[in-house]
Amino acid sequence: KAGVTQTPRYLIKTRGQQVTLSCSPISGHRSVSWYQQTPGQGLQFLFEYFSETQRNKGNFPGRFSGRQFSNSRSEMNVSTLELGDSALYLCASSFTGMGTEAFFGQGTRLTVV
Amino acid sequence: AQSVTQLGSHVSVSEGALVLLRCNYSSSVPPYLFWYVQYPNQGLQLLLKYTTGATLVKGINGFEAEFKKSETSFHLTKPSAHMSDAAEYFCAVSDGNSGNTPLVFGKGTRLSVIA
Repeated sequence: KAGVTQTPRYLIKTRGQQVTLSCSPISGHRSVSWYQQTPGQGLQFLFEYFSETQRNKGNFPGRFSGRQFSNSRSEMNVSTLELGDSALYLCASSFTGMGTEAFFGQGTRLTVV
Repeated sequence: AQSVTQLGSHVSVSEGALVLLRCNYSSSVPPYLFWYVQYPNQGLQLLLKYTTGATLVKGINGFEAEFKKSETSFHLTKPSAHMSDAAEYFCAVSDGNSGNTPLVFGKGTRLSVIA
């Protein structure tokens, strides 16, 4: 059974640009959640999608957005990148919801210069 | 609101020694509790989880944790450390009344194993 796949693994972007990250969940999982990991703030919840609907949202500015497709694949987008957006972005999938067992991808390392 | 406190951002043990990583949580509802491990440049891997039932939970790689409601704790232990256990460990909590709440993570504890 394939795990959670995140692409790309590494990204370097310039301040002001936008970026799109992709996450393919485990087959059959309908919940996809996104987390930002930084040395200073640790792991912070961004948002969760379930059956193409955003079900939960963390405390991040509107520059951070996401969506989920009918095949449960999810994308997150960050517009007008800031230096502080440099982080490891982790995607997690679960069968019914975040509070149940969540399986994480390897993450996308975003560096904003 | 739920929160997690992991005591000690860095723990160092000798190979073969007991591993004890501390986690205390705050939750106004019955919690679901998790321990995850992260190796460098990798995602998080679930070690074990507590939802309901037996309070002593066994996980992968010889780790176990005990849910103590009276102490609001969920400490992670392993009887004998291996070099391969060196990694960062995260404790997390979610709302046990609902399967739809985000995981709230602690700041993490980096475990070093000395030969």
